[in-house]
Amino acid sequence: DGGITQSPKYLFRKEGQNVTLSCEQNLNHDAMYWYRQDPGQGLRLIYYSQIVNDFQKGDIAEGYSVSREKKESFPLTVTSAQKNPTAFYLCASSSGQGAETQYFGPGTRLLVL
Amino acid sequence: GQQLNQSPQSMFIQEGEDVSMNCTSSSIFNTWLWYKQEPGEGPVLLIALYKAGELTSNGRLTAQFGITRKDSFLNISASIPSDVGIYFCAGPPRSNFGNEKLTFGTGTRLTIIP
Repeated sequence: DGGITQSPKYLFRKEGQNVTLSCEQNLNHDAMYWYRQDPGQGLRLIYYSQIVNDFQKGDIAEGYSVSREKKESFPLTVTSAQKNPTAFYLCASSSGQGAETQYFGPGTRLLVL
Repeated sequence: GQQLNQSPQSMFIQEGEDVSMNCTSSSIFNTWLWYKQEPGEGPVLLIALYKAGELTSNGRLTAQFGITRKDSFLNISASIPSDVGIYFCAGPPRSNFGNEKLTFGTGTRLTIIP
């Protein structure tokens, strides 16, 4: 089955630690995205990548970092600089080349202890 | 960043009722997408609209791309318990041509009263 997988489903972080969230897709999509969702809120774009080895900041990139070394993978690192990391993180992908429809993974819930 | 305004923010309805929600923007959109999100899950695409005036159905769901290109509507007929969730509209503003970034609405939370 083609799709987007995110792991883990739940992640706990101690204050001051960096953590990395995984996102993998086997849809052969060029573009991938990371969003943050807070309770009762909409989606805010953190980072996006339209092609391998290239990525751009979204609206709330501070305290986060990404890499795009492979087409199918777009990991997100939540650094200690992110002062309020507790949220639901969603990864998405689209085929690129002007195709706007994005498909989402199941999400990772990050909790700070 | 730019936001889309969705209304209503929440709806409490009885099973079997029809549902209507809408999404408006101050700028023109080339595409309108409607997603549904269930608790603890990622959004799932319901309907995609690509032309002004387009009316598209997916089962009991019907969505329309507004003539002005600044709004879209989603209707659900004869609601059932599994319709519960948050419905988001989304789209790339015309100014995003060549860039696949989407702007998301604030969501409409649908609750069905037994």
